[in-house]
Amino acid sequence: GAGVSQTPSNKVTEKGKYVELRCDPISGHTALYWYRQSLGQGPEFLIYFQGTGAADDSGLPNDRFFAVRPEGSVSTLKIQRTERGDSAVYLCASSLRVVRGSYNEQFFGPGTRLTVL
Amino acid sequence: KQEVTQIPAALSVPEGENLVLNCSFTDSAIYNLQWFRQDPGKGLTSLLLIQSSQREQTSGRLNASLDKSSGRSTLYIAASQPGDSATYLCAVLIKAAGNKLTFGGGTRVLVKP
Repeated sequence: GAGVSQTPSNKVTEKGKYVELRCDPISGHTALYWYRQSLGQGPEFLIYFQGTGAADDSGLPNDRFFAVRPEGSVSTLKIQRTERGDSAVYLCASSLRVVRGSYNEQFFGPGTRLTVL
Repeated sequence: KQEVTQIPAALSVPEGENLVLNCSFTDSAIYNLQWFRQDPGKGLTSLLLIQSSQREQTSGRLNASLDKSSGRSTLYIAASQPGDSATYLCAVLIKAAGNKLTFGGGTRVLVKP
């Protein structure tokens, strides 16, 4: 079946602009995660959804970053007033429903490379 | 705060040589440790997942060990091939952090034919 897809694959924007990054999880996966990977570093957690609600948004760096998942499937990561330091690859992952005390493998999409000029 | 470190940051070997990649973590209260492969412009592909109760996992030419008490894991790739060239990331799931993975910085591997 189809894996996690992310659009666009590349996004170039100017400092101060607003951007939206989209993630389509694997069908049937109720948990969805966003990570950010800066050049030469490992991914860092941003936010995690269980269904429609954000179960953990502790990784969002500041209030310019916001994510939604209104119908419990597709998610959009929104960045306002972009800064050059926001340039990175934004990765999305999905998994089966998270149950306390267990782990369901996260499957990653190809990422969106964001460049802020 | 959990910190995950991977050494070396980059590695270049001739084809056929065995690869040894290291990962260390500061908090031993983990659920599991996972090794991923990342190719340029691609997402992460899971290679091996070791539960906290396990000492090692094997898949084909890959073997990963876990020593929770010392906070270390090692990924061995036997008889390396040019197709093994990629970045290898380790990630831990810690008990206090819910379901979010904490990644190391990765090791960039180049296998020269």
